[in-house]
Amino acid sequence: QVQLQESGPGLVKPSETLSLTCTVSGGSINNYFWTWIRQPPGKGLEWIGYMYSNGNSDYNASLKSRLTISLDTSKNQISLKLNSLTPADTARYFCARDRDGYNIWGPGTMVIVSS
Amino acid sequence: EILLTQSPATLSLSPGERVTLSCRASQNIGRVLAWYQQKPGQAPRLLIYQTSIRATGISARFSGSGSGADFTLTISSLEPEDFAIYYCQQRSDRPSGITFGQGTRLEMK
Repeated sequence: QVQLQESGPGLVKPSETLSLTCTVSGGSINNYFWTWIRQPPGKGLEWIGYMYSNGNSDYNASLKSRLTISLDTSKNQISLKLNSLTPADTARYFCARDRDGYNIWGPGTMVIVSS
Repeated sequence: EILLTQSPATLSLSPGERVTLSCRASQNIGRVLAWYQQKPGQAPRLLIYQTSIRATGISARFSGSGSGADFTLTISSLEPEDFAIYYCQQRSDRPSGITFGQGTRLEMK
């Protein structure tokens, strides 16, 4: 079955750029929407943005100026880059496949923004 | 941005009880609403999409209803594993059009 696995640096400094990767196994990334969602410690879910396999994308308006989501079909990966980090970006970052709702999620990767 | 308001914030109930969770949108969203369950340390799990369709493998004790701006998730008879946080989520056709509610925590009394 399809599985997702996020990976990233864990700890990043303020003002730096966060780079995360979501690797899809057991299926293709083609013909699906792929979404990033984050959750600060003890808080609710925040939609970050998505990219469809044809390149169409949409981002959370509050993050749009700092955010890039991309797909690498050769590696079956979805990437997220978020620049100008602040401590408010500290969260668990999830990738999810969107088909009639987010029906497949990765376990998430924790990102702490601290000097 | 379409806001989703979930109520109540917290519910304390016992196994076997029936519960209805509410999700209200700040404007008409039709029926493009989903519900998720999240347990500590886990990713959310899709329960319901398009207001009332159960996701694969979801028990029939979960049901969703509503339209327009008012939606509910009902659990007909609580099982011990149902105590968790529940989120609603909507998607509109507008740019940046996806939002989550703030969640309802279901606690065991």
